[in-house]
Amino acid sequence: EVQLVESGGGVVHPGGSLRLSCAASGFTFDDYTMHWVRQAPGKGLEWVSLISWDGGSTYYADSVRGRFTISRDNSKNSLYLQMDSLRTEDTAFYYCTKWEDAFGIWGQGTLVTVSS
Amino acid sequence: DIQMTQSPSTLSASVGDRVTITCRASQSISNWLAWYQQKPGKAPKLLIYKASSLEGGVPSRFSGSGSGTEFTLTISSLQPADFATYYCQQYDSYSWTFGQGTKVEIK
Repeated sequence: EVQLVESGGGVVHPGGSLRLSCAASGFTFDDYTMHWVRQAPGKGLEWVSLISWDGGSTYYADSVRGRFTISRDNSKNSLYLQMDSLRTEDTAFYYCTKWEDAFGIWGQGTLVTVSS
Repeated sequence: DIQMTQSPSTLSASVGDRVTITCRASQSISNWLAWYQQKPGKAPKLLIYKASSLEGGVPSRFSGSGSGTEFTLTISSLQPADFATYYCQQYDSYSWTFGQGTKVEIK
């Protein structure tokens, strides 16, 4: 079964850091570009970042560029999102998702709450 | 960045109704348009990709059409399981953006 499982969410103060992880299974992880997408509670979806199959290319939304870093470890079938200098507006469910002409597979999401 | 505008924001319909949701892109995106269904507390689910291709396992009552800047998602006969929020999403030149969503409610 193709599966993505996020972890690492929690409550953090503004200015703090958090590292999200996404464990992939059921497919050849290093064949695919992977993305993070987030959704503030009760709001719409926002694309956050992508990383190419080999980690050689990364892209970020303007809202997180310079604060978030996406990475992957293909030997562990894992995707990561290092989030620094967190702001209250970063509060959201964070989903990892696999790209193949669209976001076909999603994890269940992990909630990040930035609050003082 | 390309902006995606969905209409309507909310739609009230009855079981058996034909439902159409529209998505407009601020510039041409060819056919790089996908549609997702999201239910409360759940991750989005892919319905349609490349504007009109039905994802495996998705009921045939869902269909997509359009190209360039105008796209539609049609549900031919609304079922109880279809009450949810629907999002369009575009891809163009390393830019991914979603519409604001359309909530389909029970009339």
